[in-house]
Amino acid sequence: AQSVSQHNHHVILSEAASLELGCNYSYGGTVNLFWYVQYPGQHLQLLLKYFSGDPLVKGIKGFEAEFIKSKFSFNLRKPSVQWSDTAEYFCAVNAGSSASKIIFGSGTRLSIRP
Amino acid sequence: DADVTQTPRNRITKTGKRIMLECSQTKGHDRMYWYRQDPGLGLRLIYYSFDVKDINKGEISDGYSVSRQAQAKFSLSLESAIPNQTALYFCATSDPKNRDNYGYTFGSGTRLTVV
Repeated sequence: AQSVSQHNHHVILSEAASLELGCNYSYGGTVNLFWYVQYPGQHLQLLLKYFSGDPLVKGIKGFEAEFIKSKFSFNLRKPSVQWSDTAEYFCAVNAGSSASKIIFGSGTRLSIRP
Repeated sequence: DADVTQTPRNRITKTGKRIMLECSQTKGHDRMYWYRQDPGLGLRLIYYSFDVKDINKGEISDGYSVSRQAQAKFSLSLESAIPNQTALYFCATSDPKNRDNYGYTFGSGTRLTVV
């Protein structure tokens, strides 16, 4: 069965610090990978996604993620965070060629100190 | 208007009561999903439907039932609510034929409290 692990439950950074949130998945075949963001009191929004091609994916708001197949990882990065990035971030995976159902990680809460 | 609308937004109910959460969408997607979100556990899939005649259990379907009344409507019912069903519930839709829109579109969520 597919699973997604996010090892950082809560990350606290100062503004302008660099961010990297870890995500590992377990599935040996073709995967589609996602990062979603949930701002306080809001629903989940898609930040970026990887299907194939260039393993470095650019998303909205300056976020990017790198797919490393050999490590089963899809870490999220941002060079310089802002206070407005305070949110919960979810990594998710869907295996196979169709978006049947997406499995979510447990989430990482990001707190940015102004 | 939101693409995926959930009603109610908030609900407090008593243990043992039956409650229905509703979801409707204007995206024309065939696939609809119900998830619950709990702190530290992320989102867990309750039920999903690939079309009106196709209903599937997710990882935590016990205590829940669903109804796909039309392509645009997918309701979640708690037949006899219990306190550990207190959670934030999200409905989502997807269209696997449209790779530009891969992934889910989420509703705003229903916060359910069972007392």
